[in-house]
Amino acid sequence: DIQMTQSPSSLSAYVGDRVTITCRASQTISTYLNWYQQKAGKAPRLLIYAASSLQSGVPSRFSGSGSGTDFTLTISSLQPEDFATYYCQQTYSPPRSFGQGTKLEIK
Amino acid sequence: EVHLVESGGGLAKPGGSLRLSCAASGFTFSDAWMSWVRQAPGKGLEWVGRIKRKSDGGTTDYAAPVKGRFTVSRDDSKNTLYLQMKSLKIEDTAVYYCSTNIGDYWGQGTLVTVSS
Repeated sequence: DIQMTQSPSSLSAYVGDRVTITCRASQTISTYLNWYQQKAGKAPRLLIYAASSLQSGVPSRFSGSGSGTDFTLTISSLQPEDFATYYCQQTYSPPRSFGQGTKLEIK
Repeated sequence: EVHLVESGGGLAKPGGSLRLSCAASGFTFSDAWMSWVRQAPGKGLEWVGRIKRKSDGGTTDYAAPVKGRFTVSRDDSKNTLYLQMKSLKIEDTAVYYCSTNIGDYWGQGTLVTVSS
């Protein structure tokens, strides 16, 4: 099974900051990677699919990059509504494992 | 507009069974691969299993912790996805979400609590 490791586990930042979250796969997954945002008590929301494609309706301040085993999610200028938990998920093969999550908090 | 609505959650005893349903609307359900994902209280997301569309064989895949105990099925005539859970364990306590396999649409989740 493919293991997904996110870093950091938590992050404090200011509104307006540029933030990067990383995700590493235990084996190559090409660009079969999704990024999600989850707010407390809500279902996850797809932000990025295929490592770098922006889901419809998602603000352009979100971007994804990477291939193989190393991936990043970048938020170019944090907005108040961006404070949430972020997860990566490999969609290369089942079981389609998630990273452990990165909690983004207001500094 | 796409809607996924889970139901069937509740309290079950260890060793018991429960069946979750996910009613889909707003898209061609029979064309979609569908998944179940769970989230234990205060924990991260855990992929549970998926089912392919019938034209792709309708086959299923499961995460190791639930394999042999959980069964994903679908009724395309009812636009409904199911998760049959047997031999429930305390560690199966979670909010269970159905989603499209792509991950672009999710239900609101249904809480399953396994406790004696």
